[in-house]
Amino acid sequence: DQQVKQNSPSLSVQEGRISILNCDYTNSMFDYFLWYKKYPAEGPTFLISISSIKDKNEDGRFTVFLNKSAKHLSLHIVPSQPGDSAVYFCAASGLKNTGFQKLVFGTGTRLLVSP
Amino acid sequence: DVKVTQSSRYLVKRTGEKVFLECVQDMDHENMFWYRQDPGLGLRLIYFSYDVKMKEKGDIPEGYSVSREKKERFSLILESASTNQTSMYLCASSHGGNGQPQHFGDGTRLSIL
Repeated sequence: DQQVKQNSPSLSVQEGRISILNCDYTNSMFDYFLWYKKYPAEGPTFLISISSIKDKNEDGRFTVFLNKSAKHLSLHIVPSQPGDSAVYFCAASGLKNTGFQKLVFGTGTRLLVSP
Repeated sequence: DVKVTQSSRYLVKRTGEKVFLECVQDMDHENMFWYRQDPGLGLRLIYFSYDVKMKEKGDIPEGYSVSREKKERFSLILESASTNQTSMYLCASSHGGNGQPQHFGDGTRLSIL
């Protein structure tokens, strides 16, 4: 059962334009959401996160939007740069009954930004 | 910067061998994790540990075990390697507390022949 879904396996965008990556989740108990970027032959690197009590968080060119009623979040990259070409993973966090936080990852979206 | 180091980038082993994957972090993180990444499946949690000598099963623990004798080191063990364990293995660490991001190593690409 995929609790975190990234329905677009790939996205192509021109340099300078906006990239919008989408993520849906099913478990209303998730209370933090994170985005990671992964280049080939490297581990994922943390990009940005958002708490479920907010609907927007911004860090430079990266903005994450959360719509709790729709159980949907999105990552906006403006302006997109060729160096942003990577696989982006959405992840959701919720406390287990042990009080321990566990991340659940989506399957990733490959972003290609062309010059 | 947080540094999570995995002992091998590439590893080739034979079916039935016992395989050890090592991970070390230098940020005094309480939590450590082992994932595998497969095409179309994203990252799936194998095991995690929230303290020395403590471990909990993740979503796909079958065929694996772990060891955490020291806070900075978390080992993944394939007791008897099988071809379906060919994958990219990723180690991560984080501080305790909700919302803390996990920091990943560069991964070990393991091939079981």
